[in-house]
Amino acid sequence: GNSVTQMEGPVTLSEEAFLTINCTYTATGYPSLFWYVQYPGEGLQLLLKATKADDKGSNKGFEATYRKETTSFHLEKGSVQVSDSAVYFCALYPLTGGGNKLTFGTGTQLKVEL
Amino acid sequence: DTEVTQTPKHLVMGMTNKKSLKCEQHMGHRAMYWYKQKAKKPPELMFVYSYEKLSINESVPSRFSPECPNSSLLNLHLHALQPEDSALYLCASSRSGLVRGNTIYFGEGSWLTVV
Repeated sequence: GNSVTQMEGPVTLSEEAFLTINCTYTATGYPSLFWYVQYPGEGLQLLLKATKADDKGSNKGFEATYRKETTSFHLEKGSVQVSDSAVYFCALYPLTGGGNKLTFGTGTQLKVEL
Repeated sequence: DTEVTQTPKHLVMGMTNKKSLKCEQHMGHRAMYWYKQKAKKPPELMFVYSYEKLSINESVPSRFSPECPNSSLLNLHLHALQPEDSALYLCASSRSGLVRGNTIYFGEGSWLTVV
């Protein structure tokens, strides 16, 4: 079946630090990959996506590259801000099998301090 | 900004009450979803509608009853809930079918507390 593995949190960083949140996946075929962000007390927002190997998704200074050879989609940002404090979910959407369903990772909480 | 609108944002209900959560989207999507999210956990899929027909029910108890009156609206009727049903309920929508690039968009959620 499909699965997504994310690094455990919480991750605590100082403002302007470099961020990496690791995400690896298991799926049949070549799924689409997503990062969603959930700010405190809010719903999920799509942060970025990639639909095929070597695609790079980017938004708001965040980037992630679809690596088929390592089945990974790590999230990076060069300089985090306090406003980036949130929970980040990696997810996959299958092209074959799995139904019309997103498979989520467990989420990684990011705390950015001054 | 999300284009999936959910109401109410907060709901407190007793275990004998009947209430409904509502969701609306105007993106022309033909797949709509209900998810349940407990604190510090990822969302869990409850129901999927495709072209206004229920296509997936993830073995959800019958005290939750979904309804899709038309392609833009999705309701979740609640009756005889338990305190453990207290959670954030998220509505989402997407194009229907397994299409490359298909993206699921979420609403802001309805916070439900059962007392």
